[in-house]
Amino acid sequence: DSGVTQTPKHLITATGQRVTLRCSPRSGDLSVYWYQQSLDQGLQFLIQYYNGEERAKGNILERFSAQQFPDLHSELNLSSLELGDSALYFCASSPSRSYNEQFFGPGTRLTVL
Amino acid sequence: GENVEQHPSTLSVQEGDSAVIKCTYSDSASNYFPWYKQELGKRPQLIIDIRSNVGEKKDQRIAVTLNKTAKHFSLHITETQPEDSAVYFCAARENSGYALNFGKGTSLLVTP
Repeated sequence: DSGVTQTPKHLITATGQRVTLRCSPRSGDLSVYWYQQSLDQGLQFLIQYYNGEERAKGNILERFSAQQFPDLHSELNLSSLELGDSALYFCASSPSRSYNEQFFGPGTRLTVL
Repeated sequence: GENVEQHPSTLSVQEGDSAVIKCTYSDSASNYFPWYKQELGKRPQLIIDIRSNVGEKKDQRIAVTLNKTAKHFSLHITETQPEDSAVYFCAARENSGYALNFGKGTSLLVTP
């Protein structure tokens, strides 16, 4: 157990819908990263937050957004869902931006029908 | 941005043999190279990492080597066991950023 929690574990929804994925980092970790894992694209970095502020963006679609709250938990919002958005979404955390290791949560499996 | 290539995509070895997975990266400014192991349906877990100021690092049966000039790094697993079967991902982190850029993964199967 890495200490990072994600909810829900599984999510099934329809195209065009909007969902919110939640991540609670390890106690004291200020940095949160979101990754998308699909069969054909592997693990792709989406976005990073540090102490409430967006710090880096990767291959994140405009339909996706995220935020980090004062209690340091983070939410990833996915809207206008398409079949291709079906994937495992992982959150990872680390104590600071320069700390090497990232600790991954168990992931949320999103299925868009 | 950083581009990480990983080979092979699948690897099958017999128990007790060695396994080698290779990765190349494109950004010479990358300074941190972790390897993650992911079992089916589970989270990626860090198994070993290396910083750019070190050429080799070993932890029991696992070792990683880094060649900065050639921009490639490798994972070596010796005396493989069936429980080593998993997908292994290499990654590189740029000096200017903090996110990890992952390779596409190697599915390792160790047969008894």
